Amino acid sequence: AQSVAQPEDQVNVAEGNPLTVKCTYSVSGNPYLFWYVQYPNRGLQFLLKYITGDNLVKGSYGFEAEFNKSQTSFHLKKPSALVSDSALYFCAVRKNGGATNKLIFGTGTLLAVQP
Amino acid sequence: DSGVTQTPKHLITATGQRVTLRCSPRSGDLSVYWYQQSLDQGLQFLIQYYNGEERAKGNILERFSAQQFPDLHSELNLSSLELGDSALYFCASSVSLGQQETQYFGPGTRLLVL
Repeated sequence: AQSVAQPEDQVNVAEGNPLTVKCTYSVSGNPYLFWYVQYPNRGLQFLLKYITGDNLVKGSYGFEAEFNKSQTSFHLKKPSALVSDSALYFCAVRKNGGATNKLIFGTGTLLAVQP
Repeated sequence: DSGVTQTPKHLITATGQRVTLRCSPRSGDLSVYWYQQSLDQGLQFLIQYYNGEERAKGNILERFSAQQFPDLHSELNLSSLELGDSALYFCASSVSLGQQETQYFGPGTRLLVL
């Protein structure tokens, strides 16, 4: 069965510092991986995805993520955090070749950026 | 703004009642997905439609049903509501069925069952 783990409920970082939000996945075969962000009282906004190719994926708002097949990880990163990055971040996986293209989401990580 | 619209934004109702949530996908998108976000279950896939046909079912209760109309908008019907159905319901859409495609989410409908 497919699953996604976000081991940290909350990540605290000071503005201007680099941030990392962790995600590990479990799926047989090759995965498609996604990051979404949810601001308070808003829907999920797509940040980036890994399909194939370069392991470093660049996305919206200066975010990037690194796909690591051996560690089955897809950590979200940003070189310099902004207070406005504070939000709830979700990692999601979809199985390549699966019967459906539904997304399996992690439990979310709350990112708090202190000024 | 993702281009996916959902109405209403908020819904307060009583146990035992029935409600209908509406979703309009992005222009040109044929596939619609419904997800439920609750504190205890997290974000869970409910059901998917593609061009009017049901494509996949997830953890959707028998009291819940959905459909996609010829104009591609979708409705999620929730009946015999229980307190535990209180949640945020998201609709998402994608162009077609390609697994590489991105799903774009609407702002959600927050349902409160009293």
